[in-house]
Amino acid sequence: NAGVTQTPKFQVLKTGQSMTLQCAQDMNHNSMYWYRQDPGMGLRLIYYSASEGTTDKGEVPNGYNVSRLNKREFSLRLESAAPSQTSVYFCASSEGVRASYGYTFGSGTRLTVV
Amino acid sequence: QKEVEQDPGPLSVPEGAIVSLNCTYSNSAFQYFMWYRQYSRKGPELLMYTYSSGNKEDGRFTAQVDKSSKYISLFIRDSQPSDSATYLCAIPYNQGGKLIFGQGTELSVKP
Repeated sequence: NAGVTQTPKFQVLKTGQSMTLQCAQDMNHNSMYWYRQDPGMGLRLIYYSASEGTTDKGEVPNGYNVSRLNKREFSLRLESAAPSQTSVYFCASSEGVRASYGYTFGSGTRLTVV
Repeated sequence: QKEVEQDPGPLSVPEGAIVSLNCTYSNSAFQYFMWYRQYSRKGPELLMYTYSSGNKEDGRFTAQVDKSSKYISLFIRDSQPSDSATYLCAIPYNQGGKLIFGQGTELSVKP
């Protein structure tokens, strides 16, 4: 049982380049999330998808776009990368809209923008 | 004021010590409270969750909620080097499934 799979695990981008971070879950969860983790800032929500076909902004959505491709997959796109987007990105999923069951996280993508 | 505040540490203790990790929150409407553990270069994993006030125990771990003072705690008894990780408190919003995380406390248990 793979849980939540993120690709790639590491990436270095030049300022202005674009890329898509991929996330897939095999637990039949309805809700999926993208967080970024920075030192001293904790985990901050970028975008989330409460269910297939819906997406909403989180706390720090600027510079990002998302696509909920199907129930399993939720991608995060950086259209024009900036050094401020250097971070560790985590995808997570949960059983339903109420997160009281908690999240299952992927292992993260370490992104450096130079 | 942040909705969830957590002392980032780092916290270093000898093996066998009792560890106390704490968070405060601002919204009295919050009902569920969670603790996640994150090992270095890994994603967070759910450790425990509690509903409303009171204590919940799971082996060496005890989660405590005091809603009157908006304070949540995680106690680790007989701490082990394998407990060395970052511990994050988290509180779900009632809408959209969003979780608010504390900044995380980095714990090191020395043999």
